[in-house]
Amino acid sequence: AQSVTQLGSHVSVSEGALVLLRCNYSSSVPPYLFWYVQYPNQGLQLLLKYTSAATLVKGINGFEAEFKKSETSFHLTKPSAHMSDAAEYFCAVSEGGSGGSNYKLTFGKGTLLTVNP
Amino acid sequence: NAGVTQTPKFRVLKTGQSMTLLCAQDMNHEYMYWYRQDPGMGLRLIHYSVGEGTTAKGEVPDGYNVSRLKKQNFLLGLESAAPSQTSVYFCASSYSRGGRPLHFGNGTRLTVT
Repeated sequence: AQSVTQLGSHVSVSEGALVLLRCNYSSSVPPYLFWYVQYPNQGLQLLLKYTSAATLVKGINGFEAEFKKSETSFHLTKPSAHMSDAAEYFCAVSEGGSGGSNYKLTFGKGTLLTVNP
Repeated sequence: NAGVTQTPKFRVLKTGQSMTLLCAQDMNHEYMYWYRQDPGMGLRLIHYSVGEGTTAKGEVPDGYNVSRLKKQNFLLGLESAAPSQTSVYFCASSYSRGGRPLHFGNGTRLTVT
């Protein structure tokens, strides 16, 4: 069975500061990993994904994440926070490999990012 | 370029009433999903479909039914609404192969009184 743990339901940073949102996963097979962002009253948008290519993945809006198999982690970072980054962020995992299926996508409970001026 | 469209956007029901939420996608995706989002719970899968005419139960299927008569549409039904079904419902779609991202609609906010 696969699962996702997001450490910290709420993270607050100052504008210009480093953003670090933590995600740890468990999976019995090599995983696909995703970060999604949700702005108020909207659906989820894909930020970035890891599908067994480069372990450092770059996404939209300056975000990136690093897959660390030994730590079973996929933390999301951004060097300098902008006010527009305030949103809720979700980490998700699904089965990897040639037979992997999307319908077994499991989401974390989300981390609300607040950016202070 | 509509993507995934959900209707309605908002709805208030009384306990015991029924309703259907409609999801339509124009990306020719094989897979479609219904999730519910509750505070502090993340997204939980209600039902999903891997193709036209097929449906399957997800993590929290009780009290819901679904149908996928056409590839582009996925309907979620509540036969007898309960206050516990107050939530925000999201539809999503994707290609079948693993690693393809889900595309989400903007959600339906349902309140059951």
